[in-house]
Amino acid sequence: KQEVTQIPAALSVPEGENLVLNCSFTDSAIYNLQWFRQDPGKGLTSLLLIQSSQREQTSGRLNASLDKSSGRSTLYIAASQPGDSATYLCAVRSDNNAGNMLTFGGGTRLMVKP
Amino acid sequence: DAGITQSPRHKVTETGTPVTLRCHQTENHRYMYWYRQDPGHGLRLIHYSYGVKDTDKGEVSDGYSVSRSKTEDFLLTLESATSSQTSVYFCAISEPPGTAFANTGELFFGEGSRLTVL
Repeated sequence: KQEVTQIPAALSVPEGENLVLNCSFTDSAIYNLQWFRQDPGKGLTSLLLIQSSQREQTSGRLNASLDKSSGRSTLYIAASQPGDSATYLCAVRSDNNAGNMLTFGGGTRLMVKP
Repeated sequence: DAGITQSPRHKVTETGTPVTLRCHQTENHRYMYWYRQDPGHGLRLIHYSYGVKDTDKGEVSDGYSVSRSKTEDFLLTLESATSSQTSVYFCAISEPPGTAFANTGELFFGEGSRLTVL
């Protein structure tokens, strides 16, 4: 059974710092991995999706990398801003069937201080 | 943003009463999902649908049923609500991954429905 872990559970940084959020998974036979952002009381917003054949994806100040062999993904946020404060979740899709189970990590709660 | 609407957004009900949550999408995506999110448990899949009238159970399906009579609507029913079903419920949609060049299987979520069972 796939297990997804995100460390740290919470992170507080000053504005302007570059930071890395980690996601690790136990079964490297994945179809894709998706990073989400969740603001308090809101739904999940998709940030980046990396297919198993890809090594990284970029969107603005965000860069997500994937190393299947080591079971790891990182989300890099450049020049962090207070508006980046949110919980970030990663989810791993094990195959391309519907109910395949996206397995979610527990999330990293990020606070960017002005 | 993906066109996903959940209703109601907030509901307070009493133990033993039936509750139906509705998810409506305007994206024509084939797959639809219901998740619940609880502190300490993260997001857990309740039921999912892979087409009209095609549904299956997720990991926490006990006490829940679903129906999908149209592509755009996916209903989650609690036949007799219990306090353990107090949670935030999220609907999600995706296209079947790999069925077309652009279909990555990316998952999109609704805003959530907060249910409190007293």
